[in-house]
Amino acid sequence: DAGVIQSPRHEVTEMGQEVTLRCKPISGHDYLFWYRQTMMRGLELLIYFNNNVPIDDSGMPEDRFSAKMPNASFSTLKIQPSEPRDSAVYFCASSLMGRVGQETQYFGPGTRLLVL
Amino acid sequence: SQQGEEDPQALSIQEGENATMNCSYKTSINNLQWYRQNSGRGLVHLILIRSNEREKHSGRLRVTLDTSKKSSSLLITASRAADTASYFCATSTGTASKLTFGTGTRLQVTL
Repeated sequence: DAGVIQSPRHEVTEMGQEVTLRCKPISGHDYLFWYRQTMMRGLELLIYFNNNVPIDDSGMPEDRFSAKMPNASFSTLKIQPSEPRDSAVYFCASSLMGRVGQETQYFGPGTRLLVL
Repeated sequence: SQQGEEDPQALSIQEGENATMNCSYKTSINNLQWYRQNSGRGLVHLILIRSNEREKHSGRLRVTLDTSKKSSSLLITASRAADTASYFCATSTGTASKLTFGTGTRLQVTL
């Protein structure tokens, strides 16, 4: 298996622009998580899905952030408009959480976002 | 908010020595997991210990869990330069399927 795939790996954009991050989870996994990692705040859970349905979006910082999962093999995280404080590494992870012995999460390589 | 706090924040040891990292958390848990993150990479799962377990081993890794003290420790024996990374504990609580990650310990293993 190729693991969790994220694109792009690096994104540099200007303040006010729309940014779309993409994730392909591991085939067969039924949970998908979006995280943000910064030096100041560490690793934060933004939102997670179960069977393509958003379960908890309480970590989404504000309305500028939105996430979708149109099918089991694809998810997007969109920031519109972007701001410099959104600069971070964004990780996607997937899991078969909920089944004993399979609660671990598998992380993608991350997207490093820089908003100028 | 952070559920887990790792201690120390940074640790530097020589190859062959043992490395011990600690994690404290605030609320009752279902399980506690440890992850490793190499610089510029995603997190990789190392080991999971359930709330009814006290100790678990995996290769050179040994994890302990003390639910009365709400703490866990990760011991890496006979460390190698390749063990240089950040290590995070993560807790699963209640009925939620999400994990809450700690602040991490940066381990540097020198030759």
